[in-house]
Amino acid sequence: EDQVTQSPEALRLQEGESSSLNCSYTVSGLRGLFWYRQDPGKGPEFLFTLYSAGEEKEKERLKATLTKKESFLHITAPKPEDSATYLCAVKRGSSNTGKLIFGQGTTLQVKP
Amino acid sequence: DVKVTQSSRYLVKRTGEKVFLECVQDMDHENMFWYRQDPGLGLRLIYFSYDVKMKEKGDIPEGYSVSREKKERFSLILESASTNQTSMYLCASTDRGKFYEQYFGPGTRLTVT
Repeated sequence: EDQVTQSPEALRLQEGESSSLNCSYTVSGLRGLFWYRQDPGKGPEFLFTLYSAGEEKEKERLKATLTKKESFLHITAPKPEDSATYLCAVKRGSSNTGKLIFGQGTTLQVKP
Repeated sequence: DVKVTQSSRYLVKRTGEKVFLECVQDMDHENMFWYRQDPGLGLRLIYFSYDVKMKEKGDIPEGYSVSREKKERFSLILESASTNQTSMYLCASTDRGKFYEQYFGPGTRLTVT
């Protein structure tokens, strides 16, 4: 069964304290792994897409990496405005219509 | 900027009522989606539509139906609302060529009493 699991469920960091969020997946025929950010009371907002093991993408203090079994979202020197829930999702192999499987999310809180 | 709007931010309905949730996107996207989001369960796909009048069931379609009469509008219908349908409902759309970059609306928090 296709599955996406994120850990930890919640993470509290001090401003400037770097850390990583994990997304592990089991899916037949992976055709992409995607990271989204969701602020309270809002819909998710797209961050990154990764297609193959070894690929990396960066945006400001965030860097996403991909292996054959998992993805990491590294947060370097986070600021309070990075506080949000981070969701990862994978695309199943056969569909061309954008069906994604989402993980349950990691809620990040960065304290000043 | 792509904009996805949903008809209500908060909705309270009684058990057994028929409920309509409306979603409109302004970027001429082919694909539109309805998800529900519950604590600890993440986003789960209810239905999606890849063209006008076309629809496919997602992972949890039971108790729901959808309608897409126009390209920009996708409606989610709860035929007879039940308390276990209390949830946050999110609509999304995406262009056929960029299926991964789903644009989400702000969500509708539905409470069924």
